[in-house]
Amino acid sequence: LAKTTQPISMDSYEGQEVNITCSHNNIATNDYITWYQQFPSQGPRFIIQGYKTKVTNEVASLFIPADRKSSTLSLPRVSLSDTAVYYCLVGAWNSGNTPLVFGKGTRLSVIA
Amino acid sequence: EAGVAQSPRYKIIEKRQSVAFWCNPISGHATLYWYQQILGQGPKLLIQFQNNGVVDDSQLPKDRFSAERLKGVDSTLKIQPAKLEDSAVYLCASTRNQEGSPLHFGNGTRLTVT
Repeated sequence: LAKTTQPISMDSYEGQEVNITCSHNNIATNDYITWYQQFPSQGPRFIIQGYKTKVTNEVASLFIPADRKSSTLSLPRVSLSDTAVYYCLVGAWNSGNTPLVFGKGTRLSVIA
Repeated sequence: EAGVAQSPRYKIIEKRQSVAFWCNPISGHATLYWYQQILGQGPKLLIQFQNNGVVDDSQLPKDRFSAERLKGVDSTLKIQPAKLEDSAVYLCASTRNQEGSPLHFGNGTRLTVT
């Protein structure tokens, strides 16, 4: 079961690009890397998922190096509404490798 | 598509009382999870169902917690008797029965035990 390490918190000004890096040295061959965003009083919300190289959607980009031992979530031009906790998870859902515990996540604070 | 539905949204009980939470997953999602999230921490998996069968309940405190998903659709999580340390948000999530499918979470039930 891959363990993940993320910074506890980050601050950014509005309009800047924010990069949050997650380390997962023990990632298994079948594991995907998934990022979630959580606002207070809400459940985590899926942002993006990848297996290798780069994935981009309308919300974010995910960069995964060749060794897959880390990944970086990139949020372009953040706004105040991006203030939230971001979780990095590694696992292959429904294959017996479901992470039992999320980490504490990264608390992103966007400042005007 | 409709999201994961959970009720009630909030619940306040005294210790030693019992409580039940309900979850209706996204239509067609065979796998359902219950997570416990204590304030300031990430969600912790309590139990995982595949259709109406339990896949993993190793982290479920079985002396007081129980969960069922009788028809393979909606699910109920029960605590009896509740303790102060059970105060948390209880999140339900579901996913398709397909490797790599991400979890979709409900907004949870906030339980306060006094």
